[in-house]
Amino acid sequence: AQSVTQLDSHVSVSEGTPVLLRCNYSSSYSPSLFWYVQHPNKGLQLLLKYTSAATLVKGINGFEAEFKKSETSFHLTKPSAHMSDAAEYFCVVTLGSNDYKLSFGAGTTVTVRA
Amino acid sequence: SAVISQKPSRDICQRGTSLTIQCQVDSQVTMMFWYRQQPGQSLTLIATANQGSEATYESGFVIDKFPISRPNLTFSTLTVSNMSPEDSSIYLCSVAPQGYNEQFFGPGTRLTVL
Repeated sequence: AQSVTQLDSHVSVSEGTPVLLRCNYSSSYSPSLFWYVQHPNKGLQLLLKYTSAATLVKGINGFEAEFKKSETSFHLTKPSAHMSDAAEYFCVVTLGSNDYKLSFGAGTTVTVRA
Repeated sequence: SAVISQKPSRDICQRGTSLTIQCQVDSQVTMMFWYRQQPGQSLTLIATANQGSEATYESGFVIDKFPISRPNLTFSTLTVSNMSPEDSSIYLCSVAPQGYNEQFFGPGTRLTVL
């Protein structure tokens, strides 16, 4: 079965410092992987996606993630955090090779200190 | 992409009653999904609602509790029946437009059951 584990439930960073959100997945095939962000009282927004093309994926708002098959990881990074990055982040994996159903990680709450 | 709206945005209901949540998409899509996000938790898939077929429910969710309609390619409803306080959650719909790997999410319906 496919699943995804977010290794940090909460990450706190200072504004202007790097952000790292860790995600590991398990899958019996090559999955599609996504990072979504949910700001307070808002819907989910796609940050970036990996779909078997380039392993380094660039997303919106300066975020990027690297797919490492050997480590079954898909960590999200941003070189310089902004106050507006404070939100909940979800790592997501497709449940089947030809299946649009998604499995969500538990989420990582990011707080940004001024 | 797709723009999705949900009604109502929030509601407070009494136990034992039912609430129907509407999901409207600005374009025709075959695949539509309903999720539940319990307080402080991640998203859990309730069911897949494809137009022209009966909804497919995930383990732990049943049609009697969460009946779904999908009358056309731009609209769906989810009913939360015989509500209890444990049903207090955010309910989100999403779509997977043809040609896209990712899903696009509605803003969610925040339900509180007293």
